[in-house]
Amino acid sequence: AQSVTQLGSHVSVSEGALVLLRCNYSSSVPPYLFWYVQYPNQGLQLLLKYTTGATLVKGINGFEAEFKKSETSFHLTKPSAHMSDAAEYFCAVSEVSQGGSEKLVFGKGTKLTVNP
Amino acid sequence: ETGVTQTPRHLVMGMTNKKSLKCEQHLGHNAMYWYKQSAKKPLELMFVYSLEERVENNSVPSRFSPECPNSSHLFLHLHTLQPEDSALYLCASSQAPGPLYNEQFFGPGTRLTVL
Repeated sequence: AQSVTQLGSHVSVSEGALVLLRCNYSSSVPPYLFWYVQYPNQGLQLLLKYTTGATLVKGINGFEAEFKKSETSFHLTKPSAHMSDAAEYFCAVSEVSQGGSEKLVFGKGTKLTVNP
Repeated sequence: ETGVTQTPRHLVMGMTNKKSLKCEQHLGHNAMYWYKQSAKKPLELMFVYSLEERVENNSVPSRFSPECPNSSHLFLHLHTLQPEDSALYLCASSQAPGPLYNEQFFGPGTRLTVL
């Protein structure tokens, strides 16, 4: 079964600083990878996804992630943090279940705090 | 209303109560999902419905009973719950099952507390 590990349950950065949220996955097949964001009191929203092709994926709100097969990683970055980026971020991998349907397997999440 | 809505937003219930969570999607989607989000644990998929037919039951205890009367509505009926069932329950929908080509849109969740 696929699994996702997010290093650091909490990350704190200053406004304007680089944001780096780490995600490592285990998968026996070429993975499809996702990042979701959850703002306070809201549901999850898709930030970006990697399927095939270009390994650097650009998403909404200035975020991007790079798929590195050799490192089994899919880290999320943003060059300059904004106060509105404060949220919880979830990395996920797509997995085919025993029933044959496709589902997302999520990491535990990383809560990002942005300090003024 | 737009997107995916969930009611109630907060629910407190005793272990002997029976209650229901409601989800409604206004996106014209054909697939709907229930997820459980517990503190310090990964988001867990509970059920998947496609065109009102259950296509995934992720080893969920029978005290959770889903119902999908049509493609716009999804319910989660709760009875004789345990305190460890306290969590945020998220509903989501997508055009079709399968996250690769079908983005899932999430509701804001119902915060459930079982006393």
